[in-house]
Amino acid sequence: AAGVIQSPRHLIKEKRETATLKCYPIPRHDTVYWYQQGPGQDPQFLISFYEKMQSDKGSIPDRFSAQQFSDYHSELNMSSLELGDSALYFCASSLGLLGVTQYFGPGTRLLVL
Amino acid sequence: EDQVTQSPEALRLQEGESSSLNCSYTVSGLRGLFWYRQDPGKGPEFLFTLYSAGEEKEKERLKATLTKKESFLHITAPKPEDSATYLCAVQASAGGTSYGKLTFGQGTILTVHP
Repeated sequence: AAGVIQSPRHLIKEKRETATLKCYPIPRHDTVYWYQQGPGQDPQFLISFYEKMQSDKGSIPDRFSAQQFSDYHSELNMSSLELGDSALYFCASSLGLLGVTQYFGPGTRLLVL
Repeated sequence: EDQVTQSPEALRLQEGESSSLNCSYTVSGLRGLFWYRQDPGKGPEFLFTLYSAGEEKEKERLKATLTKKESFLHITAPKPEDSATYLCAVQASAGGTSYGKLTFGQGTILTVHP
């Protein structure tokens, strides 16, 4: 079965640079979530989109922005990168918004030097 | 605010030694409780979804149960390949302040020795 696709899988950036992470949900899924997981931490919710509209917002820095496109893929744009942004970034997708299972992608490992 | 606490933080078992992981939660209206397995550097892998107290679900050596305040993940006769971090997460109802996001516990790191 098709899974969530994330690209790139690994990314190395310098401080103050920008990065764009991409997420392709499971076919027919209309909801996308972004989570950040630091070393030894649990995933922290950043932002979500349902039917191309922002549905919820968590602890996402103002330096970050995201959107969901007409084909339901999503992009997380990160600017003015800081050392503390180094983490695993997961995208999850679901069919619908509430009470449904979120399926996670393999993640993008971001390292900021 | 939604809170999820998992215990123990780490659990070491011998192969075949059954045990349980605990997930205690506080949420403003539970929409669903989810169990995931996560291997190092990989994305969480879905295991179970539970919706109401008294519900139970099984898959191979794993069984998840739910009460009004906590969930248990029972592991029967574990094998070394069951070694992973097990994450519990809750989703609150739309009447609260969140719309679909998962709030995770810190996870239980399970190690099964042969």
